[in-house]
Amino acid sequence: EVQLVESGGGLVQPGGSLRLSCAASGFTFSSYWMSWVRQAPGEGLEWVANIKEDGSQKNYLDSVKGRFSISRDNAMNSLYLHMNSLRAEDTATYYCGRELLGGAVTLEYWGRGTRVTVSS
Amino acid sequence: IVLTQSPGTLSLSPGERATLSCRASQSIRNNYLNWYQQKPGQLPRLLIYATSTRAPGIPDRFSGSGSGTAFTLTISRLEPEDFAVYYCQQFETFGGGTKVEIK
Repeated sequence: EVQLVESGGGLVQPGGSLRLSCAASGFTFSSYWMSWVRQAPGEGLEWVANIKEDGSQKNYLDSVKGRFSISRDNAMNSLYLHMNSLRAEDTATYYCGRELLGGAVTLEYWGRGTRVTVSS
Repeated sequence: IVLTQSPGTLSLSPGERATLSCRASQSIRNNYLNWYQQKPGQLPRLLIYATSTRAPGIPDRFSGSGSGTAFTLTISRLEPEDFAVYYCQQFETFGGGTKVEIK
């Protein structure tokens, strides 16, 4: 059974940093593109970043470029999102997702999410 | 690219047909348009990918169609569990969502 479990969320002050983690199991992690998607309270879905199977290609939402960094550790079956210079508008639940083989950012499996609150 | 979903809210009764629209600001490459369902307090679920392919386990009352800039998700007969928010997506872009509520 495919499982994705996010962790690392919490309350952080504006300008602060957080590292989100996503532990994957039930599939060959190193064979799939992985994504982070966020959802602000009461709002819709917003794709944040994704990373190729071997970590050689990364893509980002314009508003997080230079502040967020996606990475993965295939030996540990883990996905990460390093978030710096956090802003109030980054407040959201962050989901990790496994993309379909062939990519196209089609999220076949989702974790339950971890909540990030940026506030003083 | 911008994806515009309409209507914002659709009020229907169980058993009725639901037609949800997703319009793209420019033609979608390879017609790769996806649909997700999200119920309150739950994580999103992939329904349809590549315009018309149902994800595993999705009932056949859900169907997708369209091409170019105009795409449609149709629920042939609404079941009580279908009342939710539906999002279309093309690569990195999500639409704003359509809420299907009980009339």
